[in-house]
Amino acid sequence: KQEVTQIPAALSVPEGENLVLNCSFTDSAIYNLQWFRQDPGKGLTSLLLIQSSQREQTSGRLNASLDKSSGRSTLYIAASQPGDSATYLCAAKTHNTDKLIFGTGTRLQVFP
Amino acid sequence: DTGVSQDPRHKITKRGQNVTFRCDPISEHNRLYWYRQTLGQGPEFLTYFQNEAQLEKSRLLSDRFSAERPKGSFSTLEIQRTEQGDSAMYLCASSPGFETQYFGPGTRLLVL
Repeated sequence: KQEVTQIPAALSVPEGENLVLNCSFTDSAIYNLQWFRQDPGKGLTSLLLIQSSQREQTSGRLNASLDKSSGRSTLYIAASQPGDSATYLCAAKTHNTDKLIFGTGTRLQVFP
Repeated sequence: DTGVSQDPRHKITKRGQNVTFRCDPISEHNRLYWYRQTLGQGPEFLTYFQNEAQLEKSRLLSDRFSAERPKGSFSTLEIQRTEQGDSAMYLCASSPGFETQYFGPGTRLLVL
């Protein structure tokens, strides 16, 4: 059974810092891994999707990596801004199902 | 492309009442998913459809829950005899295949 864990649960940093959010999964037979952003009381916005055959994906100041052998993914945010404040969720999809298994998220606050 | 829409956005009901939520996926997306998210947790999978066929249901989906997707377009999620434990955000997502899932804004349910 796939289980997804995210650490830290919360993070508060000053504007301009580079930061790393961590995601761990127990079943290395994943099909893909997706990172989402969620603002308070809102739905989820897809940030990056990494296929199992890929090592990383980049979009602007965001870079996500995937290491299946160690069961880990990281989301790197460069030069953080107050507008980056949100909860970041990772979700894994395995080969035998179409559903996403989510972690509990990292709540990020970037202060000016 | 207007994205995934959900209606209503908020619902307050009394315990024991029935409620129905609607989800309109992105046009031509043949897959539609329902998730439930409680405070401080990541979304949990409930069920998904490929076109009009309901292909997978979570054990979280008790007999009081039913979902439909007539004609493979919009979907409805009905909860009968609501309980306080049903209070949560109900999220709908759609995808064109086995890749990125696009989420709607959610319906927040409060059962008094």
